[in-house]
Amino acid sequence: DAMVIQNPRYQVTQFGKPVTLSCSQTLNHNVMYWYQQKSSQAPKLLFHYYDKDFNNEADTPDNFQSRRPNTSFCFLDIRSPGLGDAAMYLCATSSQRAYNEQFFGPGTRLTVL
Amino acid sequence: GEDVEQSLFLSVREGDSSVINCTYTDSSSTYLYWYKQEPGAGLQLLTYIFSNMDMKQDQRLTVLLNKKDKHLSLRIADTQTGDSAIYFCAESMNDYKLSFGAGTTVTVRA
Repeated sequence: DAMVIQNPRYQVTQFGKPVTLSCSQTLNHNVMYWYQQKSSQAPKLLFHYYDKDFNNEADTPDNFQSRRPNTSFCFLDIRSPGLGDAAMYLCATSSQRAYNEQFFGPGTRLTVL
Repeated sequence: GEDVEQSLFLSVREGDSSVINCTYTDSSSTYLYWYKQEPGAGLQLLTYIFSNMDMKQDQRLTVLLNKKDKHLSLRIADTQTGDSAIYFCAESMNDYKLSFGAGTTVTVRA
């Protein structure tokens, strides 16, 4: 089945220790997104890739970076995680022709100790 | 303030209809969406409506849009225990960005 896969599902890191979250997709979609969802809050878009073009949201902290080495994979790098970065991180994809239909992965829950 | 607002909780008896309400502020929204999130899972797109429509029906789901009042609702007929989840309302304009509400937790009781 075509899908969006996120690894790991649960990630624990220490304050200030860099961490990388992974997303892969078998849908061959050209747009990939990263959202941050804190407890009982709305998902918040951090950035998205349109093919190789990176689009950062204005209020996304510099601490968050992303890489997309190919169509299938996208990574979220948190350079120096703080306690406030503990959240669920959701990856989503959409095709150019149906950009309004976003398909989400199951998320990675990040804990910062 | 929030661009998209929803009530936080809804409790409904199995077999009854559920109605989840949402208000949004941006009159230039092009699409309005309902997503479902089950525990430990990602968001699942349930349905969406284009802003020039008033209603959309898909099996047990009915979406109503009142563009004048900027009010969106989702009605689930014959609510089942499997419908227990968090439901998110979202809006977008002619771009890739979705703006979500904080979600309504629906609990279905026997």
